[in-house]
Amino acid sequence: NAGVMQNPRHLVRRRGQEARLRCSPMKGHSHVYWYRQLPEEGLKFMVYLQKENIIDESGMPKERFSAEFPKEGPSILRIQQVVRGDSAAYFCASSPGPGGGEQFFGPGTRLTVL
Amino acid sequence: GQQLNQSPQSMFIQEGEDVSMNCTSSSIFNTWLWYKQDPGEGPVLLIALYKAGELTSNGRLTAQFGITRKDSFLNISASIPSDVGIYFCAGQLYNQGGKLIFGQGTELSVKP
Repeated sequence: NAGVMQNPRHLVRRRGQEARLRCSPMKGHSHVYWYRQLPEEGLKFMVYLQKENIIDESGMPKERFSAEFPKEGPSILRIQQVVRGDSAAYFCASSPGPGGGEQFFGPGTRLTVL
Repeated sequence: GQQLNQSPQSMFIQEGEDVSMNCTSSSIFNTWLWYKQDPGEGPVLLIALYKAGELTSNGRLTAQFGITRKDSFLNISASIPSDVGIYFCAGQLYNQGGKLIFGQGTELSVKP
């Protein structure tokens, strides 16, 4: 299965801990997007990355959140000092080319902050 | 920020009935995408639309990119129980890179 892979699928953290979410794009895709979904809501854009570059981070909270997509390895969404309001499903999507076009989503990571 | 208004929020229909849902916005979109999300899973792409007026089908699903580029609709014909789920529209604005703006979703329930 060459789809978008995310791990872990479920992550439980206590307030103040760090959460690291990983995303491996589809084979041949070099563009990665992160979205957050709160219960009963649609997905909200967070950040768009290409290899080693952040293209658009207009949806990222100003503090505690960071993302990277290194030359080798998966994209990482990192949340420092988690709070209860960070509890949500975090989805990664990938696309083969820049800008507009189809995006294919992974199964998501469900983060629960106790 | 930009918003997509998706309606209806939920639908309860009988198996075999046709379904229609739509998204509207005050902004002009470059691309419209329709996704289906099952509980505990990620959205699955159903149809992608790239040109104003474009009408595209995928099996029993048909979607159209509105002429004004501010709206789109999705029709499902002859619904079956496995159509149950949440359907999302998503749009990409011209010159705003790849980020998708999502509607609030339409939850579809199908009674056998």
